[in-house]
Amino acid sequence: DAGVTQSPTHLIKTRGQQVTLRCSPKSGHDTVSWYQQALGQGPQFIFQYYEEEERQRGNFPDRFSGHQFPNYSSELNVNALLLGDSALYLCASSGGGAIADTQYFGPGTRLTVL
Amino acid sequence: GESVGLHLPTLSVQEGDNSIINCAYSNSASDYFIWYKQESGKGPQFIIDIRSNMDKRQGQRVTVLLNKTVKHLSLQIAATQPGDSAVYFCAENMGSGGSNYKLTFGKGTLLTVNP
Repeated sequence: DAGVTQSPTHLIKTRGQQVTLRCSPKSGHDTVSWYQQALGQGPQFIFQYYEEEERQRGNFPDRFSGHQFPNYSSELNVNALLLGDSALYLCASSGGGAIADTQYFGPGTRLTVL
Repeated sequence: GESVGLHLPTLSVQEGDNSIINCAYSNSASDYFIWYKQESGKGPQFIIDIRSNMDKRQGQRVTVLLNKTVKHLSLQIAATQPGDSAVYFCAENMGSGGSNYKLTFGKGTLLTVNP
């Protein structure tokens, strides 16, 4: 049984560019959350998708957007990249549906903005 | 505001000893707590969780204790092994009512196990 998968593993972009990160949830899970983890810090919640809609959002600007597909996979898009966007981006999936449930994390995508 | 913090940023133990990692939380509305282990270059790995209607939960070599009176959470690892070396995060959630789904993490504690 595959766990949460993310692609790509690493990514290097320059300021002002746009990036798309991808996530496939654990089998049987229908909910995907995205987190940003700066070096030496704990993960920070960006948003969560359920039933193809964003149902909760953290304190991140509109440059961060996402999408969930009918197969429950998800994308995170970041526009107009800033140096401060350099971080490990983590995807977590859960199967609680309408209620909060245990979130299982993928390996992350390391984004470097130059 | 809501926050999750850790008392000890680093912890060094000898192989075979027991480890205790502590965590303080400030939001009394939190009702679900999770401990994650994160090794270098990897995503957080679920260890154990506990809901607010419990004060203790045991897993394989790990025990989580919850003291709601003082808003304190701890993770105990028995017979610590070199493979336990990692950063440990506690995370809190207020989602039992179905309206808050995010996890709030602390900064983490680095556990180093010396052979």
